[in-house]
Amino acid sequence: GESVGLHLPTLSVQEGDNSIINCAYSNSASDYFIWYKQESGKGPQFIIDIRSNMDKRQGQRVTVLLNKTVKHLSLQIAATQPGDSAVYFCAETLSGNTGKLIFGQGTTLQVKP
Amino acid sequence: NAGVMQNPRHLVRRRGQEARLRCSPMKGHSHVYWYRQLPEEGLKFMVYLQKENIIDESGMPKERFSAEFPKEGPSILRIQQVVRGDSAAYFCASSPPGLVYNEQFFGPGTRLTVL
Repeated sequence: GESVGLHLPTLSVQEGDNSIINCAYSNSASDYFIWYKQESGKGPQFIIDIRSNMDKRQGQRVTVLLNKTVKHLSLQIAATQPGDSAVYFCAETLSGNTGKLIFGQGTTLQVKP
Repeated sequence: NAGVMQNPRHLVRRRGQEARLRCSPMKGHSHVYWYRQLPEEGLKFMVYLQKENIIDESGMPKERFSAEFPKEGPSILRIQQVVRGDSAAYFCASSPPGLVYNEQFFGPGTRLTVL
């Protein structure tokens, strides 16, 4: 399953399928990007980050892709599990700046058993 | 190593009262950030502090809101004369000094309800 930009707030996928969550960031000068997972009633939890000198970074079951030309970021989750159900936010920042993060609106991921 | 701690977790205030939110950063972290999250929205930056210094308060409302991070003790976000529109989740994040790429670790948040 795949979300399209920030206009599709909910992504519903079958357990075991791959998920792709998209994000369009705002500042072409941003050079550091983070994906956070937020479960209901909890604070954001770091998933994976990427610097602007990279196009792709892989973690455990997750991959982040960065396309600076179109200011687009995506998070791929392999073999989605029920525990992946949450809201996912991308965040951008400018290194060496004050460090404040600018968050996207978020995508709700629902995993169907 | 305990994570970022925030208290209280839930706070109920009547209009006109004061709200005080506390944040203890992770051990060894000297940078504290406050964010506000309205229902169904992303987090919005409010203020960035280091010990005894406000570094960036560009996201803070001009009136009624203030923040501090004293030499000793937690960081405090203070909201005076609360209004219903202040109802939100307030998150604190911390990061260690000296990093160029700034990974921030978030606390569980304080959920403020203004009656």
